[in-house]
Amino acid sequence: GEDVEQSLFLSVREGDSSVINCTYTDSSSTYLYWYKQEPGAGLQLLTYIFSNMDMKQDQRLTVLLNKKDKHLSLRIADTQTGDSAIYFCAEKTGGYNKLIFGAGTRLAVHP
Amino acid sequence: NAGVTQTPKFQVLKTGQSMTLQCAQDMNHEYMSWYRQDPGMGLRLIHYSVGAGITDQGEVPNGYNVSRSTTEDFPLRLLSAAPSQTSVYFCASSITNTDTQYFGPGTRLTVL
Repeated sequence: GEDVEQSLFLSVREGDSSVINCTYTDSSSTYLYWYKQEPGAGLQLLTYIFSNMDMKQDQRLTVLLNKKDKHLSLRIADTQTGDSAIYFCAEKTGGYNKLIFGAGTRLAVHP
Repeated sequence: NAGVTQTPKFQVLKTGQSMTLQCAQDMNHEYMSWYRQDPGMGLRLIHYSVGAGITDQGEVPNGYNVSRSTTEDFPLRLLSAAPSQTSVYFCASSITNTDTQYFGPGTRLTVL
């Protein structure tokens, strides 16, 4: 079945790079997404990658996709305290716009 | 544009009560959906709609009803609330059923 897995917690020092990893099972996924959720807020779309791409860069964010291993990662360069949040990986699968979400990775940034 | 709006932000119900969670978008998006978020889990799809007058079930539809009489609004109804429905509910919309979804701020529901 469809499943998306993420590690639950990541702690980094301010200024370092953060790498959040995600694995998925559905090889027919068309798009893969990263959403950010700050405390008490909704989900904010950070970036997405089409399944025929290997990499996408957007300012401090780099998304890497290894389709063979069904592995997706989000790298945040020069991590700041404002990056502290929960990051959700999601895959789009199926004929309609169905998103399968991971449980989220809580990123804590400390001085 | 206000984007995707949800009301109320918080709600407390007693078991057996009914209520409607409101969701509206002003972007003329055809596709709208409802998710619930539970601790330690990702969001799970409850119901979705590909356009006015068309709705269908997602992963966890039991206990919820939806309707889509207009493009802008997609209310979620709990007919007889149960403690298992305590959750945070998110509404999302996209231009079509293949485009990126944008989420509302959420409704935190507690059922006692």
